[in-house]
Amino acid sequence: DAGITQSPRHKVTETGTPVTLRCHQTENHRYMYWYRQDPGHGLRLIHYSYGVKDTDKGEVSDGYSVSRSKTEDFLLTLESATSSQTSVYFCAISAQRGLVRRTDTQYFGPGTRLTVL
Amino acid sequence: TQLLEQSPQFLSIQEGENLTVYCNSSSVFSSLQWYRQEPGEGPVLLVTVVTGGEVKKLKRLTFQFGDARKDSSLHITAAQPGDTGLYLCAGKQTGANNLFFGTGTRLTVIP
Repeated sequence: DAGITQSPRHKVTETGTPVTLRCHQTENHRYMYWYRQDPGHGLRLIHYSYGVKDTDKGEVSDGYSVSRSKTEDFLLTLESATSSQTSVYFCAISAQRGLVRRTDTQYFGPGTRLTVL
Repeated sequence: TQLLEQSPQFLSIQEGENLTVYCNSSSVFSSLQWYRQEPGEGPVLLVTVVTGGEVKKLKRLTFQFGDARKDSSLHITAAQPGDTGLYLCAGKQTGANNLFFGTGTRLTVIP
């Protein structure tokens, strides 16, 4: 158990509304990630963070923003939700602590199921 | 375009049968991992392979990293209903800060 929680676990919202998903970790890991999971696509990276206020885009970042003001919290915001953003969202942390990371074990939260009507 | 393609996408077999899942790419990876995901949960790491040609065994599961470090396979011997789940491969490229995940293989083992 890597001490990762996500909230909310389920959310239904309407097109055009803002939505914020929260990821919280208890073990002071530097790297945190947001993924979305859709059938036939596996997991696709939205954004990631490598420290407080340090973030970078992933392969499907359009329509999403992130913030990390504290080590333990990583927020994902959909400024104006669209139906194409209906998905299951996973937060993950990397257990690697070194600067050179040939491998990268990631631990995942339980996921948030978001439905945009 | 997915960097890592898995096949098959779906697999339904009888208990006791053997199966192989493939993870292929045209890119080289410094390491490759396999995760298993059960419904309603996040993926959980099964194994990491780092050397071309490397073979690792985890009970009835055998993982192999391709010689050129572009592909991997997962072989399950005598599948059990408890093996049911979504299997995901994930690769790390040199210098990258993130993993690239495969498209996933959903395995169902029928008792």
